[in-house]
Amino acid sequence: DAGVTQSPTHLIKTRGQQVTLRCSPKSGHDTVSWYQQALGQGPQFIFQYYEEEERQRGNFPDRFSGHQFPNYSSELNVNALLLGDSALYLCASSPAGGNSPLHFGNGTRLTVT
Amino acid sequence: SQQGEEDPQALSIQEGENATMNCSYKTSINNLQWYRQNSGRGLVHLILIRSNEREKHSGRLRVTLDTSKKSSSLLITASRAADTASYFCATPWVGGSQGNLIFGKGTKLSVKP
Repeated sequence: DAGVTQSPTHLIKTRGQQVTLRCSPKSGHDTVSWYQQALGQGPQFIFQYYEEEERQRGNFPDRFSGHQFPNYSSELNVNALLLGDSALYLCASSPAGGNSPLHFGNGTRLTVT
Repeated sequence: SQQGEEDPQALSIQEGENATMNCSYKTSINNLQWYRQNSGRGLVHLILIRSNEREKHSGRLRVTLDTSKKSSSLLITASRAADTASYFCATPWVGGSQGNLIFGKGTKLSVKP
């Protein structure tokens, strides 16, 4: 039973470029949440997708957008990259409803130069 | 901010000793969760304690919750070198969906053999 998988594991981009990160949720999970974790900090909630729609959003600019596909996998897109976007991007999945804990992938390490 | 805060920020102990980490939060909650993160990897859920529970055990882990003081503690007994990691408490965002968690900055635990 595969857990949450994310790709790529590492990525280096230049300021102003755009990036797409991908996530496949754990089998049986239909809700995907994305988090940004800067070095030495705790993860910060970006947004959550359920039934192919953005259900909730954290305090992130519109440069951050996402998508969920019918198979529950998800993408995170970041446009017009800034140096401050350098971070570990974590995807977490969970079944809908209740207080089920989140299952995290190992993240994508994004470096913006 | 609703963000929780862990204390201490860093903790160094010898194998076999107990490790205690504390977490404070600011708003009413229906549950509090603890996660562990090995360096640069994804987070792993350790334990969830509901607001009507005062103490919960899981193996060598013991979590307490004091809702009157808005605080929680995580105790790891008989620590091992493999327990070396960062530990985060997380609380649901008020009015948020299940996957929208507020994480603290974490406690970095180092267990020396």
